[in-house]
Amino acid sequence: AAGVIQSPRHLIKEKRETATLKCYPIPRHDTVYWYQQGPGQDPQFLISFYEKMQSDKGSIPDRFSAQQFSDYHSELNMSSLELGDSALYFCASSLGAGFGRALSYEQYFGPGTRLTVT
Amino acid sequence: GENVEQHPSTLSVQEGDSAVIKCTYSDSASNYFPWYKQELGKGPQLIIDIRSNVGEKKDQRIAVTLNKTAKHFSLHITETQPEDSAVYFCAAKANEKLTFGTGTRLTIIP
Repeated sequence: AAGVIQSPRHLIKEKRETATLKCYPIPRHDTVYWYQQGPGQDPQFLISFYEKMQSDKGSIPDRFSAQQFSDYHSELNMSSLELGDSALYFCASSLGAGFGRALSYEQYFGPGTRLTVT
Repeated sequence: GENVEQHPSTLSVQEGDSAVIKCTYSDSASNYFPWYKQELGKGPQLIIDIRSNVGEKKDQRIAVTLNKTAKHFSLHITETQPEDSAVYFCAAKANEKLTFGTGTRLTIIP
C-alpha cells in the first residue's frame, strides 16, 4: 500500500539559511500534520491542514510556515534556521470527514526528514 | 493542554514473556488513543488504537485497554519476539493533534 512520502530524507543547512520540506500524503488523504522530533524525544505537533486550510496549530515557531496545496501535498518552510532546529521532521496524513464518510482518526506517518543545522 | 505520561521509560523482557506499557492523560476531551512503534531511523508506525467508547481492543498479540474514569490506557504485548524491540509511544487526541507520551524503549532478550 502507498505510504506517506517525504522529501528530502536528509538535509544539511547552515545557521540562518532556509529549508523547505515536502510531504505527499497517502492517496485520497486530505489532512496532513507536521511533527518535530528531537533526539530521544517524542514527536511534537507543529501544525495541521485539512482541505488546504490550517486546522490546528501547535508549538510552531514564527520562523516556520506551512501550506497545503490543491493536490493535498504540503510544504513546511523554515527560515533563519537555528542549531536547535536540528531534528527529525515527520509528516502524517489522515482521511478527514467528508460526504457520507465518518471522520477517520488514524494518522499515518512518513519516514521523516532529518534536518541538520550546522 | 493535554499532558500524556508514559511508564516505564525502558523495559526488558525475555522472549516469549509479556510486556505492558502504561499511559495516563489529563484532558477529559481526548477521545482517541493510538499506539505507535518506532524503529531506529524510521517514522512512527501505528500498531493499534482505541476510541473512548471502547474499553478494550485486541489484534493478535497486541491489546489495548482504556479506563476513561481513571484516564489511563495500557498496551499489552504477549508472546514477545525479538522483532518487537523498538520504542513505543502512546498518544492522546483532542481536536486535531496528537499529544505523545515520552516513549518506552522495549528490548526483547532472546
